[in-house]
Amino acid sequence: GAGVSQSPSNKVTEKGKDVELRCDPISGHTALYWYRQSLGQGLEFLIYFQGNSAPDKSGLPSDRFSAERTGGSVSTLTIQRTQQEDSAVYLCASSFATTNEKLFFGSGTQLSVL
Amino acid sequence: GDSVTQMEGPVTLSEEAFLTINCTYTATGYPSLFWYVQYPGEGLQLLLKATKADDKGSNKGFEATYRKETTSFHLEKGSVQVSDSAVYFCALGSGGYNKLIFGAGTRLAVHP
Repeated sequence: GAGVSQSPSNKVTEKGKDVELRCDPISGHTALYWYRQSLGQGLEFLIYFQGNSAPDKSGLPSDRFSAERTGGSVSTLTIQRTQQEDSAVYLCASSFATTNEKLFFGSGTQLSVL
Repeated sequence: GDSVTQMEGPVTLSEEAFLTINCTYTATGYPSLFWYVQYPGEGLQLLLKATKADDKGSNKGFEATYRKETTSFHLEKGSVQVSDSAVYFCALGSGGYNKLIFGAGTRLAVHP
């Protein structure tokens, strides 16, 4: 498709398990972002990738969170030893690399940690 | 650090009513300002933007003016429709790339 694709759309896991969330950005978009949307909260920036540059990881809440982007395209967000407070919607977005360019968001992965 | 504060919801209006959703920001430098909208069951999408002071962004009947003196970017629409029911997010972009800082979102419900 032409949009940002995220999978799975829903993920239920047990506390302490690891999870992987996937994002397929729009073809040609060199910038990729992960955000987290918790109930009643705004979107919280997690990490940003731009081409082959070192990612901006300043928003990752703990060392249990990591992300990679292979070949400048698909990205995977990994949460190790999940906790209940990790429950949220994880959103991926992509854009062209110019400033003030609009972000295209995926529909998100709803993560529930029991 | 940079931040965005927007009015809490939910906002409930009747069709054809006037809408204002307040947004103020704190930022160093001169950020770009955005309104994103999330319709039920859909991903966030850009509604409008303004890149410098006194700019007015507009789209689908919505408007917002970048006010540097009051550090505000309030969203307005003269006559809302049921189809405008959604969650609206104010955001600022700072730094050399599109790292957006979002407000908490305001849910709008429009009734016939």
